[in-house]
Amino acid sequence: DAGVIQSPRHEVTEMGQEVTLRCKPISGHDYLFWYRQTMMRGLELLIYFNNNVPIDDSGMPEDRFSAKMPNASFSTLKIQPSEPRDSAVYFCASSSDSGGTDTQYFGPGTRLTVL
Amino acid sequence: GESVGLHLPTLSVQEGDNSIINCAYSNSASDYFIWYKQESGKGPQFIIDIRSNMDKRQGQRVTVLLNKTVKHLSLQIAATQPGDSAVYFCAEIKDDMRFGAGTRLTVKP
Repeated sequence: DAGVIQSPRHEVTEMGQEVTLRCKPISGHDYLFWYRQTMMRGLELLIYFNNNVPIDDSGMPEDRFSAKMPNASFSTLKIQPSEPRDSAVYFCASSSDSGGTDTQYFGPGTRLTVL
Repeated sequence: GESVGLHLPTLSVQEGDNSIINCAYSNSASDYFIWYKQESGKGPQFIIDIRSNMDKRQGQRVTVLLNKTVKHLSLQIAATQPGDSAVYFCAEIKDDMRFGAGTRLTVKP
């Protein structure tokens, strides 16, 4: 298995632009998580899905952030409009059907820089 | 998530020595704990887990100790190798998952 796949690996954009991050979870995993990692705040859970349905989006910082999971093999995290404070590494993780507390497998992350 | 400062705690050890990385967790009701290893430019990688009904669990070269009385978790790495150099952080799970700040381990050859 190729593991969790994320794209792009690096994204540099200007303030105000729309940014879309993509994730392909491990096949068969029913849970998908989006995290943001910064030096200041560490690793933060933004949102997670179970069977393509958003379960908890309380970690999404504001309305500029949105996430979708149109099918079991694809999810997007969109920031519109982006701001410099959104600069971070965004990780996607997936896990098997065990209530979300089973081992999560992380993707390599997308390093976002907003100028 | 947990708030962290600009500088991670660091631990520097000599190759071949044992390493002990500590983590204080916040929720006394947390019933599952995980240690992750994160190498530069990569996502966190699962190392070992432990449930709250245990106080010790061993893996290959790693041991996790859980002290629920003081809400403390530790990761012991035996015979530390250069490839162990990374940031290590713990996660506690009850209804949600919370991550610790992380400790940067540097192994000197």
